[in-house]
Amino acid sequence: QKEVEQNSGPLSVPEGAIASLNCTYSDRGSQSFFWYRQYSGKSPELIMSIYSNGDKEDGRFTAQLNKASQYVSLLIRDSQPSDSATYLCAVKRFSGGGADGLTFGKGTHLIIQP
Amino acid sequence: DTAVSQTPKYLVTQMGNDKSIKCEQNLGHDTMYWYKQDSKKFLKIMFSYNNKELIINETVPNRFSPKSPDKAHLNLHINSLELGDSAVYFCASSHHMLNSDPDTQYFGPGTRLTVL
Repeated sequence: QKEVEQNSGPLSVPEGAIASLNCTYSDRGSQSFFWYRQYSGKSPELIMSIYSNGDKEDGRFTAQLNKASQYVSLLIRDSQPSDSATYLCAVKRFSGGGADGLTFGKGTHLIIQP
Repeated sequence: DTAVSQTPKYLVTQMGNDKSIKCEQNLGHDTMYWYKQDSKKFLKIMFSYNNKELIINETVPNRFSPKSPDKAHLNLHINSLELGDSAVYFCASSHHMLNSDPDTQYFGPGTRLTVL
């Protein structure tokens, strides 16, 4: 059974600091990896996608992937109160198409303290 | 606005009833999905569908059935509703083409279903 594990938190980080969110997955066949942000009562919103080992940076966000360790992380630099949300890690078995859905972790609740 | 839309936003109904939730996307995507988010906020895939294949999560009861009248719509029909069906249901879509991120899924606003 495919599983994605995240620490549920809450993870409390001071404003301006780096928030580090971690995720492990069980299916070695996973090819695509995603971080979604979900505010309370809202739908998930894509923050980052990553497909290859290493780092991928987009603004204040950096995703890191290590397929050998089956580990994905998200770093948020210069954390802002507006970053307070639940962050969902998701994996997909096949990349580049195929109608298989995402397998989500249970999410990490991040709180940025002003 | 280009987006994934769902109706209704809220649905309150009695046990045993049959209900449908509608989803439409005007993004030109070729694949659509239904997810269920339970009271503990765990988001789980129910169905994936494009014009070639339907993938059903084996844990989904057969009371749930997706119906797609065309590429832009994937409705969710639920028979004999049970208390445990209460959740938020999200529709999503994606498009698989070259020179774009083929796996990015865009989510609708969700339908909060309450079964009494």
